[in-house]
Amino acid sequence: EVQLLESGGGLVQPGGSLRLSCAASGFTFNTYAMSWVRQAPGKGLEWVSAISGGGGNTYYADSVKGRFTISRDNSKNTLYLQMNSLRAEDTAVYYCAKVKLEYQLLIYFDYWGQGTLVTVSS
Amino acid sequence: DIQMTQSPSSLSASVGDRVTITCRASQGISNSLAWYQQKPGKAPKLLLYAASILDSGVPSGFSGSGSGTDYTLTISSLQPEDFATYFCQQYDSTPGTFGQGTRLEIK
Repeated sequence: EVQLLESGGGLVQPGGSLRLSCAASGFTFNTYAMSWVRQAPGKGLEWVSAISGGGGNTYYADSVKGRFTISRDNSKNTLYLQMNSLRAEDTAVYYCAKVKLEYQLLIYFDYWGQGTLVTVSS
Repeated sequence: DIQMTQSPSSLSASVGDRVTITCRASQGISNSLAWYQQKPGKAPKLLLYAASILDSGVPSGFSGSGSGTDYTLTISSLQPEDFATYFCQQYDSTPGTFGQGTRLEIK
């Protein structure tokens, strides 16, 4: 059974940093691209970042480019999102999501974690 | 970025009703469209991809169609568990963008 378990969310002041983690199990982690998708309170979904299965290719939304860094440790089956220079508008539930097809990077997601809440506020 | 516009934003319906939700892209997306269902406090669940292919385990009462810029999600006979928010997502170009959601409520 595929499982994705996010952690690392919390309250942080504007300008601060936070690192999210997503522990994956139940599938061959290193053959699937992964993404982070966020949802501001009461709002819709926004794709944030993606990384290829091997980790060599990464993509970012313009809204986070230069501030967020996606990475993965395939030996630990874990995905990360390092978030720096956080702003109030980054407040959201952050989901990690697995793409449905092996070796495809930017498509649709068949499994999502339960989400972790990041609140940026002074 | 491709803009995705869903309509309606909210919809009230009764168990057994047939409902249709529309998603319009700001440019053609070559059937690269997925639909998700989200219940309060839960992660989205994939329903369909490639505009009309049902994901595994999704009830056959859900169906999708469309081409070019216009796509629809149809629920043939609403069940109590279908009341949720539905999102479309285009993955034809980066960044993959989502519609704003359609909240389906019980009448």
